[in-house]
Amino acid sequence: EAQVTQNPRYLITVTGKKLTVTCSQNMNHEYMSWYRQDPGLGLRQIYYSMNVEVTDKGDVPEGYKVSRKEKRNFPLILESPSPNQTSLYFCASSSLRRINQQGKNIQYFGAGTRLSVL
Amino acid sequence: AQSVTQPDIHITVSEGASLELRCNYSYGATPYLFWYVQSPGQGLQLLLKYFSGDTLVQGIKGFEAEFKRSQSSFNLRKPSVHWSDAAEYFCAVVFNFGNEKLTFGTGTRLTIIP
Repeated sequence: EAQVTQNPRYLITVTGKKLTVTCSQNMNHEYMSWYRQDPGLGLRQIYYSMNVEVTDKGDVPEGYKVSRKEKRNFPLILESPSPNQTSLYFCASSSLRRINQQGKNIQYFGAGTRLSVL
Repeated sequence: AQSVTQPDIHITVSEGASLELRCNYSYGATPYLFWYVQSPGQGLQLLLKYFSGDTLVQGIKGFEAEFKRSQSSFNLRKPSVHWSDAAEYFCAVVFNFGNEKLTFGTGTRLTIIP
């Protein structure tokens, strides 16, 4: 089954304690992305990756890091979390191949990680 | 600036009534357009998409959307809603085909009353 898997689903932590949210996809997608969802703001892109070892900032990258050492994994790292990073986080992936017009540009989302930073 | 607007924060409709959720975007060309649904505690599920061609697109769960270039709109419709349609709905747009970024509207929360 095609899946984007995020872990953990729920996380409560304290200010300054480094954490990593993992994201893995089994669809061999080139593109992966992290979004955060906040009430009244919709989803905003944090970082994205077009392929292995290729990452770039989205709209709200401050306080976050990512890496893409393998095609299937795209972890989100918070080196020193702060309360303003309390949010619902989504990982997404999509194919960049132009062969399948139906599948191109469709992003598949994980179930989300609800993070609370105290 | 490129933006997506969903003017209705919250809509309440009766079960069996018709539904229209509005979405407008600000962009000089035709972007890729999507509607996603988020049920409580769940991730986002794609309802439908528009890339090109026929401006009326059909999606899953009986939803459809119509792209109107002149109005820069992509409104979502359903002729008869079911209680299970209660959820939050997001319009999303890809403006930049280079980075594939989805720009989301702020969402419309749909409540269904019996």
